[in-house]
Amino acid sequence: AQTVTQSQPEMSVQEAETVTLSCTYDTSESDYYLFWYKQPPSRQMILVIRQEAYKQQNATENRFSVNFQKAAKSFSLKISDSQLGDAAMYFCAYRRGYQKVTFGTGTKLQVIP
Amino acid sequence: EAQVTQNPRYLITVTGKKLTVTCSQNMNHEYMSWYRQDPGLGLRQIYYSMNVEVTDKGDVPEGYKVSRKEKRNFPLILESPSPNQTSLYFCASSRDRYSYNEQFFGPGTRLTVL
Repeated sequence: AQTVTQSQPEMSVQEAETVTLSCTYDTSESDYYLFWYKQPPSRQMILVIRQEAYKQQNATENRFSVNFQKAAKSFSLKISDSQLGDAAMYFCAYRRGYQKVTFGTGTKLQVIP
Repeated sequence: EAQVTQNPRYLITVTGKKLTVTCSQNMNHEYMSWYRQDPGLGLRQIYYSMNVEVTDKGDVPEGYKVSRKEKRNFPLILESPSPNQTSLYFCASSRDRYSYNEQFFGPGTRLTVL
């Protein structure tokens, strides 16, 4: 069974600094997708970034980028130039085809002005 | 506007009183899913549906039922709610079977079972 682990329940970062959130997963599959979702206080789940396992190039979306290490089964999220609006819960998720989706337990990010 | 809607947004009920949380999407998505979110546990999948009349269990299906009679609707049914089902529930949908499809989430339903 797939498992997703986020070992940092809480993190904090100074505004304009860079922070990295960690995520590891366990799977026996070679073809799958990984996602980072953001959940602000409004509770709405928002997709931040996604990575296809067969692509070696790390995904980037503006200030958000990932460090995908397939062999190590690691998928960390880097937020550059942190902004107050980045404060939220961040969830890592694993998905493969029609199979069930597995989420991590989340990391609460605080941004300090 | 493309969206996933859930109703009700908030619900307080008593143990044993059957309830249904509705979920509807207007994007013609094939895949729909229900999650519950609990502090320290993240989101856990309850049930998912690959298309009309096709559903499967997620990680925590006990105490829940679902049906998919129409493509747009995927209601979550609690036949006999218990206090351990107090949680925040999310419905989500994605376009089709391809893994890269992001899931679009509804606004959530806060359920309290007394």
